[in-house]
Amino acid sequence: DQQVKQNSPSLSVQEGRISILNCDYTNSMFDYFLWYKKYPAEGPTFLISISSIKDKNEDGRFTVFLNKSAKHLSLHIVPSQPGDSAVYFCAASGRSNSGYALNFGKGTSLLVTP
Amino acid sequence: DVKVTQSSRYLVKRTGEKVFLECVQDMDHENMFWYRQDPGLGLRLIYFSYDVKMKEKGDIPEGYSVSREKKERFSLILESASTNQTSMYLCASSPGDRGASHFGNGTRLTVT
Repeated sequence: DQQVKQNSPSLSVQEGRISILNCDYTNSMFDYFLWYKKYPAEGPTFLISISSIKDKNEDGRFTVFLNKSAKHLSLHIVPSQPGDSAVYFCAASGRSNSGYALNFGKGTSLLVTP
Repeated sequence: DVKVTQSSRYLVKRTGEKVFLECVQDMDHENMFWYRQDPGLGLRLIYFSYDVKMKEKGDIPEGYSVSREKKERFSLILESASTNQTSMYLCASSPGDRGASHFGNGTRLTVT
C-alpha cells in the first residue's frame, strides 16, 4: 500500500517560471519529509527536508511547504532552470516497522524548457 | 564529501545464479539500506541495517538476503536470481535516526 503518493507522473515548466511538485501521505506517524532529485543513471541526491514541527523550509531556489492537517507537502522551485530537469522523489519517515527508513513516492519527472 | 560506493554499475546474470551486490560508505553512518527502483513503482525498501550484524526486512525482502559484517559495508545477496529481479538497485546510508540518506549511483542488474 503506497503511503507516499505523487499523483503527477510528469510536469513541464518554462525556464524562469515556478515549478510546484506535490506529494500526499497517508501515515500520520510520518514526521520527517524529504525531497530527492534523480538524474538518469545516478543515485538520488538529497535536496531539502522538513520536520513536522515546521510548515516551511527554504534553501535557495527550493522551498518545501508542509500542511500536516491535509497530509500534503509541496516543493517549489523558483526560478526553474533547465538543469532542474530530473525526476523528483518525495520521501517520508517516522518510527515504524522499518525503523526510520524512507518511504518514497513514485516520482514526478520535471522538464524545464528554455 | 559524503560517499556511497556500489561495486558495479552494470551486471548481467543468469537465472539461478547467486548474485552479490556490494556497497561501501565512508561516512561512519549507522544505518544502511538497499532499495530497488522500477519504472512506475518508485523506490522500494528491500532490507536495512542499523548496526553491524543487525538487519531488518523492508517492504519487499522475498528472494533477498543481506550481510553487514563491518559498519561501512552492506551486501545484498540474491540467493537464486530470477528474471523479476531485473532492476536498478540502490544502496544508501544515513546517520542516526533522522539524517538524510545518501545514495550510491546504483547497480543495474539484468537477469536473463
